[in-house]
Amino acid sequence: NAGVTQTPKFQVLKTGQSMTLQCAQDMNHEYMSWYRQDPGMGLRLIHYSVGAGITDQGEVPNGYNVSRSTTEDFPLRLLSAAPSQTSVYFCASSYQLLYGYTFGSGTRLTVV
Amino acid sequence: QKEVEQDPGPLSVPEGAIVSLNCTYSNSAFQYFMWYRQYSRKGPELLMYTYSSGNKEDGRFTAQVDKSSKYISLFIRDSQPSDSATYLCASHSAGRMYSGGGADGLTFGKGTHLIIQP
Repeated sequence: NAGVTQTPKFQVLKTGQSMTLQCAQDMNHEYMSWYRQDPGMGLRLIHYSVGAGITDQGEVPNGYNVSRSTTEDFPLRLLSAAPSQTSVYFCASSYQLLYGYTFGSGTRLTVV
Repeated sequence: QKEVEQDPGPLSVPEGAIVSLNCTYSNSAFQYFMWYRQYSRKGPELLMYTYSSGNKEDGRFTAQVDKSSKYISLFIRDSQPSDSATYLCASHSAGRMYSGGGADGLTFGKGTHLIIQP
């Protein structure tokens, strides 16, 4: 049982480039979400999904897109990377929110 | 003002001491409360979750919620150097899945950095 798997673990992008952060879970969780974690800011919700075909914006959605075509996968797309998007990105999934999340190990992204 | 507030620390205590970690929250609708532990350069891992007010114990860890004062606490007994980490509290207002009104996600505090001195 792998839990929540995020790839890549590290990435350096140039300003203006696009990329997709991958997230997959094998626990059949309906709820999946993306957070970014920045020093002094804590974890902030970017986008979330409550099932295949259903996504919604969180606290800081600008510059990011998501889609959910399967229960297992929830990729996060950066459309045109900016230095302000330098952060650690975490994907998390849950059976129900009252039981909390299972987090992935994170993707460290640097935009230069 | 962030809805969940934590003192960032660092909080440094000697091995074997009882540790008290605290959060305050402002949203009266919050009903579900969780504590996560995050080691350096790792993802957060769930320690405990509680519903509404009261205490919940799991081994050396006790979570306490006082809804009247909007105060969340985590106590660690017989603290060990391996407990050194950042502890995040989190809250949510609804335990059910999406119903059209928006499920949002957990609201996290910024975390308290705990150091257990050997």
